[in-house]
Amino acid sequence: SAVISQKPSRDICQRGTSLTIQCQVDSQVTMMFWYRQQPGQSLTLIATANQGSEATYESGFVIDKFPISRPNLTFSTLTVSNMSPEDSSIYLCSVEAPGQENTEAFFGQGTRLTVV
Amino acid sequence: GNSVTQMEGPVTLSEEAFLTINCTYTATGYPSLFWYVQYPGEGLQLLLKATKADDKGSNKGFEATYRKETTSFHLEKGSVQVSDSAVYFCALRRTGGFKTIFGAGTRLFVKA
Repeated sequence: SAVISQKPSRDICQRGTSLTIQCQVDSQVTMMFWYRQQPGQSLTLIATANQGSEATYESGFVIDKFPISRPNLTFSTLTVSNMSPEDSSIYLCSVEAPGQENTEAFFGQGTRLTVV
Repeated sequence: GNSVTQMEGPVTLSEEAFLTINCTYTATGYPSLFWYVQYPGEGLQLLLKATKADDKGSNKGFEATYRKETTSFHLEKGSVQVSDSAVYFCALRRTGGFKTIFGAGTRLFVKA
């Protein structure tokens, strides 16, 4: 298994500002995934982050709005830039446990963001 | 492409009632199937999983069987409790760095 720590757990931010969310994993993993869960909705993948390369963004998400860093195999950050109330969501970090077949993805507890 | 469809909620049951939440999927290859649960104000937890056809996943009284012939993975519990009130997500994933694809989620309310 993998234990994921996300910080902050929640925040209230002013529109126009940026927030950086941190994700720390207790083991080395190749790929990390960032998801968004808008209120009352399911989870949508924002991007996939590999160590040492640019993140791969899903349709509808762009690097300027959601820049991602992946400096090593246990850590990643997601920044929500120039925030608006529509960015109010839960943001979740996810990893695949290393060295296992047909394994599930593990999720952090999420960052609950409210933009006012 | 890959997708997951699950029954819409909310589902409201009385304590000790039988629960079924339907889930069907479309996938290329041979994905693993999962049920995740999200309790109020909390993150996502894996409830159970099945990695190949005819596998049955089970946990905390919940069960689901991977049915390839009907492309389904329905969640069942024989007797629900108030503490089971949560949102349940059906999901699929292929190994090797692929993303997890989620259904829309089904909110369950259990009344005492």
